[in-house]
Amino acid sequence: EPEVTQTPSHQVTQMGQEVILRCVPISNHLYFYWYRQILGQKVEFLVSFYNNEISEKSEIFDDQFSVERPDGSNFTLKIRSTKLEDSAMYFCASTGTSGSPYEQYFGPGTRLTVT
Amino acid sequence: GQSLEQPSEVTAVEGAIVQINCTYQTSGFYGLSWYQQHDGGAPTFLSYNALDGLEETGRFSSFLSRSDSYGYLLLQELQMKDSASYFCAVRDKGTYKYIFGTGTRLKVLA
Repeated sequence: EPEVTQTPSHQVTQMGQEVILRCVPISNHLYFYWYRQILGQKVEFLVSFYNNEISEKSEIFDDQFSVERPDGSNFTLKIRSTKLEDSAMYFCASTGTSGSPYEQYFGPGTRLTVT
Repeated sequence: GQSLEQPSEVTAVEGAIVQINCTYQTSGFYGLSWYQQHDGGAPTFLSYNALDGLEETGRFSSFLSRSDSYGYLLLQELQMKDSASYFCAVRDKGTYKYIFGTGTRLKVLA
């Protein structure tokens, strides 16, 4: 069964450093998302991406964040200058055009620890 | 803004039936989804209600009442593996922005 993959599984970085989180969505999916989840809390929407541009972004997704689809398979989230409060689990998700359009397939996540 | 409220924790015994509620305040949405998340894992899709009423998928059922701003997930014949967090979620109408509920941690006891 096709799945969303994410790398790395765990990233430790120092405050102020840039990080890039990588995702490979399911190959025939067209809509891509990034979410974050602080430990023990709810899943928070960051951004949605379609047709090579951002569709929606939340108030969390400020100028420090950017997304890119550099090629036909990868989807990346960049945090320019990390803060302690960016420590969280980051999930990538994708949605296809077949089946339920509201069924999002989530990747296993990247745990980001900012020290 | 949109908000979806859920009970923080529910406990039940194996074999029992449990209902997890989701009450929401939203200006408009396409439908109500439910996701399961085991500790350390990713959310996985369980069900979706586009219209009012009950949707059944095996041991799980989901219900939506737009007039009452309310939905629930019903889990029957509980198994230990059902111990997880459950989130309701909506997609904002006219957007590709998804809002998740506060989450309910279900503990299934032997």
